[in-house]
Amino acid sequence: DTAVSQTPKYLVTQMGNDKSIKCEQNLGHDTMYWYKQDSKKFLKIMFSYNNKELIINETVPNRFSPKSPDKAHLNLHINSLELGDSAVYFCASSQEGLASSYNEQFFGPGTRLTVL
Amino acid sequence: AQKVTQAQTEISVVEKEDVTLDCVYETRDTTYYLFWYKQPPSGELVFLIRRNSFDEQNEISGRYSWNFQKSTSSFNFTITASQVVDSAVYFCALTASGYALNFGKGTSLLVTP
Repeated sequence: DTAVSQTPKYLVTQMGNDKSIKCEQNLGHDTMYWYKQDSKKFLKIMFSYNNKELIINETVPNRFSPKSPDKAHLNLHINSLELGDSAVYFCASSQEGLASSYNEQFFGPGTRLTVL
Repeated sequence: AQKVTQAQTEISVVEKEDVTLDCVYETRDTTYYLFWYKQPPSGELVFLIRRNSFDEQNEISGRYSWNFQKSTSSFNFTITASQVVDSAVYFCALTASGYALNFGKGTSLLVTP
């Protein structure tokens, strides 16, 4: 009964390729997020969607395009992959943002992207 | 702007020692929320605690305890009688908007037998 799932878990690809990472949550949450964790373990918000609407876009190159077909899914598409895109990407979800009494942001297991 | 500082990059302790992980934050918002997450070697992010800015009560959960002090903008985390399974990277995080977490750089804790 995975709460937040991501596919694939590992992704190895060549520079210049286009790839997608899928995220699904079965918690009934209305807010979903993408975070990037770099090689130094630093976690940084990339995007936040609430009810399929983009809330936060944190100075992410436009090669990164999130797509939310419904409230349960937030996919991340990356065009023209670069070496610097190598990282672990975490999807997360919460109900009504983090300020609600539901208090917790649930994270997926992460997708390790390696660009060669 | 918001900022979370975890000054301790790495800490190494021997099992059964107590250890405190420091977290200092900056925000101009009067309402905000603080979090601690654990990332074990397996890589997943595990939620530990959430605190809002109006609740300065300290919290204890088993061997874990948290000390929130608005006067010093700190939200420190103490593990009592540490165990090898506590070895992980611990992140402190802050949000005021409620829609994104601003993480500190993490503290890597190594507990040796």
